[in-house]
Amino acid sequence: SQKIEQNSEALNIQEGKTATLTCNYTNYSPAYLQWYRQDPGRGPVFLLLIRENEKEKRKERLKVTFDTTLKQSLFHITASQPADSATYLCALGYNNNDMRFGAGTRLTVKP
Amino acid sequence: DGGITQSPKYLFRKEGQNVTLSCEQNLNHDAMYWYRQDPGQGLRLIYYSQIVNDFQKGDIAEGYSVSREKKESFPLTVTSAQKNPTAFYLCASSMGVATNEKLFFGSGTQLSVL
Repeated sequence: SQKIEQNSEALNIQEGKTATLTCNYTNYSPAYLQWYRQDPGRGPVFLLLIRENEKEKRKERLKVTFDTTLKQSLFHITASQPADSATYLCALGYNNNDMRFGAGTRLTVKP
Repeated sequence: DGGITQSPKYLFRKEGQNVTLSCEQNLNHDAMYWYRQDPGQGLRLIYYSQIVNDFQKGDIAEGYSVSREKKESFPLTVTSAQKNPTAFYLCASSMGVATNEKLFFGSGTQLSVL
């Protein structure tokens, strides 16, 4: 069966460091992968989308990579700030009605 | 101020009762979705709608029902047949279903059983 795993339930890092979150999947060949940010008690907010034929995408301090051979995506936040503390979700699929979400990684950036 | 509005924020259900969660969007999106979020699990799709008066079951539709009488509105009813309804419910929208565009989410409704 299809499985999506995000590297760890929680990740703690020091302010200014780079946070790296992992999304691994099995038994699946998605056409695209998305990353969302979710704050407690709120809905997810879209951050980045990367397609299967793209290796890397950047947006300000965010970078996403997509390795279809390893079946893995890495999500990086450089120069992290306490305001980056949130849960980050990966989602993958072919179309919007078949997206599969990971359980998320809770990131805490300490001052 | 465009977006998706879910109400209520918190909802309590008594045994045997049906409850309805509201979802309204003013983004002029054709597609709308309902997801359920449980601790430690990824979001799971309950129902989605591509167009007015049409909707399709997702992975966990049993015990739920929806309607799409207006483009802006996609209410979810949690029926008494749903034996484990306690969860955080999220409504989302996108321009279409057969695309891979981003989803816009509401702020969610936390449903608990009394």
